[in-house]
Amino acid sequence: AQSVSQHNHHVILSEAASLELGCNYSYGGTVNLFWYVQYPGQHLQLLLKYFSGDPLVKGIKGFEAEFIKSKFSFNLRKPSVQWSDTAEYFCAVNDDAGNMLTFGGGTRLMVKP
Amino acid sequence: EPEVTQTPSHQVTQMGQEVILRCVPISNHLYFYWYRQILGQKVEFLVSFYNNEISEKSEIFDDQFSVERPDGSNFTLKIRSTKLEDSAMYFCASRGQDYTDTQYFGPGTRLTVL
Repeated sequence: AQSVSQHNHHVILSEAASLELGCNYSYGGTVNLFWYVQYPGQHLQLLLKYFSGDPLVKGIKGFEAEFIKSKFSFNLRKPSVQWSDTAEYFCAVNDDAGNMLTFGGGTRLMVKP
Repeated sequence: EPEVTQTPSHQVTQMGQEVILRCVPISNHLYFYWYRQILGQKVEFLVSFYNNEISEKSEIFDDQFSVERPDGSNFTLKIRSTKLEDSAMYFCASRGQDYTDTQYFGPGTRLTVL
């Protein structure tokens, strides 16, 4: 069975600070990896995804993530956060069939203006 | 941009009652999903649906749950006899044909069982 861990439950940053949110997964086979974001009062939206190829994936709003297979990690980064990045961030994985998503517990990010 | 929609946004029901949560997936999508998130817990997969049948389900999705695509647009989740522990946010999602396609999520229905 797949599992996903997000070790940072709450992160508070000032605007312009750099962001890195950790995500580790456990699964023996090939995985597809995702970061979703949920802004206050809104639905889950895809930030970026990785299926194959370049392990450094660029997403929307200046976010990127790096897949490190040897570490079973898919950390999310942004060089300079904005107040509007305040949201909850979810890492998720699924297998080659592309079916069910397994989510991490989420990280609440608060960016102070 | 097309969106997944869900109704109602909030449903309050008494324990033991049946509820039906409704979703309208994106129109050309072929795979449909239900997830739930109990307050303070992870988003959990319930069931996936393709070609008018369940393709995968979790152990949460027991006999009290059922899904249906009654027409060409709606996708419903029925809970036959609600329990207190069914209180959660229920999310519908859909995706296209290819496994690399994104799963798009609806805004959720908050179910409160009293």
